[in-house]
Amino acid sequence: DTGVSQNPRHKITKRGQNVTFRCDPISEHNRLYWYRQTLGQGPEFLTYFQNEAQLEKSRLLSDRFSAERPKGSFSTLEIQRTEQGDSAMYLCASSSGTPDSGNTIYFGEGSWLTVV
Amino acid sequence: KQEVTQIPAALSVPEGENLVLNCSFTDSAIYNLQWFRQDPGKGLTSLLLIQSSQREQTSGRLNASLDKSSGRSTLYIAASQPGDSATYLCAPWANQAGTALIFGKGTTLSVSS
Repeated sequence: DTGVSQNPRHKITKRGQNVTFRCDPISEHNRLYWYRQTLGQGPEFLTYFQNEAQLEKSRLLSDRFSAERPKGSFSTLEIQRTEQGDSAMYLCASSSGTPDSGNTIYFGEGSWLTVV
Repeated sequence: KQEVTQIPAALSVPEGENLVLNCSFTDSAIYNLQWFRQDPGKGLTSLLLIQSSQREQTSGRLNASLDKSSGRSTLYIAASQPGDSATYLCAPWANQAGTALIFGKGTTLSVSS
């Protein structure tokens, strides 16, 4: 396994522009998660997929945010009309099985977004 | 709604000390609890996972315990080293449909040589 891969690692964008992040999970992992983390805080849950189905979305995921996992493999997180408050690190993670199966969740290195 | 608190928020110790990091959570109905390490500007690295039926897990110098009924977990680090300096995060997984790992703010550890 090559681990969870996220691209781009860093993105600087002007307020109002759209940005898209990509996550490639560990192969064969059926679950994929997106989190957001700001300085000094723990990661905050945004959404997760089981295969291609988006099973839960946090209230943090406003209508400017959309996530997809079209073929149950990679996922994209798009932020439309970015605001300065969107500046954060966006973390992707993946796991196999179900929560009670005791399988570890593996995180990527994150994608840093700076909105200027 | 699950809430996770980690105490202390920051900790500085000299090399060689044994130390304990504390984690408490409000919803004791959990599948498991994971401890992670995060280096500055990096992603999270899983350290230990404790199933709800287990009391503790060990990996090298790390030992994590879980008291599900009281909503507490501790991470014990033996013989600390400068390379242990990082932020440590705990995350329980509540066994309610549709939830995921919920994190505390972490404990930032600094080990001086």
